[in-house]
Amino acid sequence: DVKVTQSSRYLVKRTGEKVFLECVQDMDHENMFWYRQDPGLGLRLIYFSYDVKMKEKGDIPEGYSVSREKKERFSLILESASTNQTSMYLCASSFPGGTSGANVLTFGAGSRLTVL
Amino acid sequence: DAKTTQPNSMESNEEEPVHLPCNHSTISGTDYIHWYRQLPSQGPEYVIHGLTSNVNNRMASLAIAEDRKSSTLILHRATLRDAAVYYCILRDGGKGAQKLVFGQGTRLTINP
Repeated sequence: DVKVTQSSRYLVKRTGEKVFLECVQDMDHENMFWYRQDPGLGLRLIYFSYDVKMKEKGDIPEGYSVSREKKERFSLILESASTNQTSMYLCASSFPGGTSGANVLTFGAGSRLTVL
Repeated sequence: DAKTTQPNSMESNEEEPVHLPCNHSTISGTDYIHWYRQLPSQGPEYVIHGLTSNVNNRMASLAIAEDRKSSTLILHRATLRDAAVYYCILRDGGKGAQKLVFGQGTRLTINP
């Protein structure tokens, strides 16, 4: 089975701290994604990457950056955490879909971040 | 991205079939219909996807309308473990962008 592992299940940070959320997948997937999930707002895409060192902004990239130095690892960085970044963060990966439609995402269990 | 419309919530009884509807009236010819579900305190998980024909797998069946403007996810015999939020999503098979856009989904409650 494909595994997407997020490094921390729960984190508590203070306003202004730099926060790293790590995600590793073990199935050689090209695509990786970071979403955040908030009550009433559903899942919103922050950033995604379709190759090493490549990244594209999602719908809500402000206040975040990402790093993809190796194919299996995709990191989400909060340069200066703020209370409005308190959320559940979900990482996902997939093969490129192309015309096969098989762009099936495999998600990690999530990292619940609280910023005080 | 083409949008989908789902009921906010549905309720069913254990061991009965469940039909979860999804409307996608602006679907394009290259859009695939994907369904995911999210169990409590977990990340979403893939359920099923299709393009034009009905699809079956071990988890569920997907019935796609002939005009493709709607689809229905069918759980043949619901169990308590099927209580989750179910998301219906369109993915463009023709574009280079690979992202999936999630809507609000349908919260399915299963009564014992």
